[in-house]
Amino acid sequence: SYVLTQPPSVSVAPGQTARITCGGNNIGSKSVHWYQQKPGQAPVLVVYDDSDRPSGIPDRFSGSNSGNTATLTISRVEGGDEADYYCQVWDSSSDHVTFGGGTKLTVL
Amino acid sequence: EVQLVESGGGLVKPGGSLRLSCAASGFTFSNAWMSWVRQAPGKGLEWVGRIKSKTDGGTTDYAAPVKGRFTISRDDSKNTLYLQMNSLKTEDTAVYYCLWGHVEYFDFWGQGTLVTVSS
Repeated sequence: SYVLTQPPSVSVAPGQTARITCGGNNIGSKSVHWYQQKPGQAPVLVVYDDSDRPSGIPDRFSGSNSGNTATLTISRVEGGDEADYYCQVWDSSSDHVTFGGGTKLTVL
Repeated sequence: EVQLVESGGGLVKPGGSLRLSCAASGFTFSNAWMSWVRQAPGKGLEWVGRIKSKTDGGTTDYAAPVKGRFTISRDDSKNTLYLQMNSLKTEDTAVYYCLWGHVEYFDFWGQGTLVTVSS
């Protein structure tokens, strides 16, 4: 099965830029989607198809994907961005969905 | 407004069974591909499986850890998705989410229902 690797944690000061990576074999050939999950809540889609944002998601959230790494970038980080973030792909060869292990974003 | 409301969670002994339901509203359920995702306490998200719409064959796919033990079904007349869980193990303890969205990603999640497998 396809494996996605995320760093367990990322820390950033308010107002700075956070970058959360998601590694996978030739992930650049797949579409990557990102979810934000705050404690006690269901996940929320924040980026889909590598770099598109659902309505209502601030443009501070952006994504990129190339080679073996996809990246979620959060600009001008706020305290309310503190959450767990998960990347996800659909593996067309197996018709299965895979999630990364998740990254806890801490706002210092 | 899209709503997904899970129910049926609870405490069950190892080897037991449980059926979860997900009541859907706010979209055309019969056309939807629906999925289940779970999250063990303090852990990450894990895809459980998916059922396609009947017009797309109504077939199901499952993650390896649950294949052969879990069954996803749907009742389009009731706009309801089901997850039948048999031969439950302690490692199946998790919050189970019902999801809807696109083939590749999920726009809408339910609030989740907790399943605890313990003796």
